Amino acid sequence: AQSVTQLGSHVSVSEGALVLLRCNYSSSVPPYLFWYVQYPNQGLQLLLKYTSAATLVKGINGFEAEFKKSETSFHLTKPSAHMSDAAEYFCAVIVNAGNMLTFGGGTRLMVKP
Amino acid sequence: NAGVMQNPRHLVRRRGQEARLRCSPMKGHSHVYWYRQLPEEGLKFMVYLQKENIIDESGMPKERFSAEFPKEGPSILRIQQVVRGDSAAYFCASSRGTGSTGELFFGEGSRLTVL
Repeated sequence: AQSVTQLGSHVSVSEGALVLLRCNYSSSVPPYLFWYVQYPNQGLQLLLKYTSAATLVKGINGFEAEFKKSETSFHLTKPSAHMSDAAEYFCAVIVNAGNMLTFGGGTRLMVKP
Repeated sequence: NAGVMQNPRHLVRRRGQEARLRCSPMKGHSHVYWYRQLPEEGLKFMVYLQKENIIDESGMPKERFSAEFPKEGPSILRIQQVVRGDSAAYFCASSRGTGSTGELFFGEGSRLTVL
């Protein structure tokens, strides 16, 4: 069964610093991978997705993620954090198109002024 | 508003009562998913439905929980005889179909508090 692991339930960065949120997946077949963001008291919003096209995926709000098969990773990055990036971020995987998403435990990003 | 609509946004129930959570998918979407988010935890899959069919309910507790997505009207997640451990945020998501490669659109959630 596929699963995702997010290393670090809490990450704190200073405004303007690099954001790196880690996600590793386990899947015996090429997966589809997603990053979602959840702002307080809201639902999840899709940031970006990998569907076996380009390994470097660009998303909204300046975020991007790189699929590395050799490392079974799909880490999320942003060159310069903004205060508005403070939220919870979820990595998710789907193996067969149309099946349900399996989410990681989430990483809460805090941005210090 | 063409997004996924969930109601109520907040629901308070006493132990033993019933909770009904409703979800109207985005226009044109025929697939609905329910997820539960416990405090300080990630989202856990509960059930996947299409119109009048339950496709996958592997994440649903065996007792007290049921879901439906009738031909007309919203999808409903029903929790009978609620207990304190049912307190959580319940999120509904919808998708166009199996060709959408997992892109789900989420509602803002229904937050259930059991006293």
